[in-house]
Amino acid sequence: AQSVSQHNHHVILSEAASLELGCNYSYGGTVNLFWYVQYPGQHLQLLLKYFSGDPLVKGIKGFEAEFIKSKFSFNLRKPSVQWSDTAEYFCAVNEGGYQKVTFGIGTKLQVIP
Amino acid sequence: SQTIHQWPATLVQPVGSPLSLECTVEGTSNPNLYWYRQAAGRGLQLLFYSVGIGQISSEVPQNLSASRPQDRQFILSSKKLLLSDSGFYLCAWSQSGTLADTQYFGPGTRLTVL
Repeated sequence: AQSVSQHNHHVILSEAASLELGCNYSYGGTVNLFWYVQYPGQHLQLLLKYFSGDPLVKGIKGFEAEFIKSKFSFNLRKPSVQWSDTAEYFCAVNEGGYQKVTFGIGTKLQVIP
Repeated sequence: SQTIHQWPATLVQPVGSPLSLECTVEGTSNPNLYWYRQAAGRGLQLLFYSVGIGQISSEVPQNLSASRPQDRQFILSSKKLLLSDSGFYLCAWSQSGTLADTQYFGPGTRLTVL
């Protein structure tokens, strides 16, 4: 069965610090990868996704993620976080042979002004 | 543009009572529909999904059920709620066809079972 691991459950950063949230999955075949974000009081929404092509994916609000197939990873990065990035971030994966998207348990990011 | 609605927004129910949560999507046809439960420290747990009217797939055996009486309506039900059913329930939709595409989430329902 496909699985997704998010290693950091709660991250606290100061504004302007760099961010990297880890995401690993367990399947070695073709994958579709996603990061979703849930800002306080808002709907869960797509941040970025990777289906194929350039493994470095750009998303909204300056976020990016890199698909590294050899490491089964899809880490989310932002060079300089803002207070408004305070949210919960979910990695998700659809693996070859499965029809459903599996979500990780989420990482709560708190950015301190 | 497409929109997704869920109601009620919050619900407090006694143990053993029935449940009905409703989700409707506007602005698209034949969407894939999903019910998730979001719990602290456990992420999003897929409960049910549907690729068409009357077609329901269950992911987790439990005392909940789902139905899709109309193309853009998805209902989550229970005959008798348990304390463990408390949580935040999210409905989502995606374009018809593959299930491996972007999902669009509703505002959620906070259910408290006492």
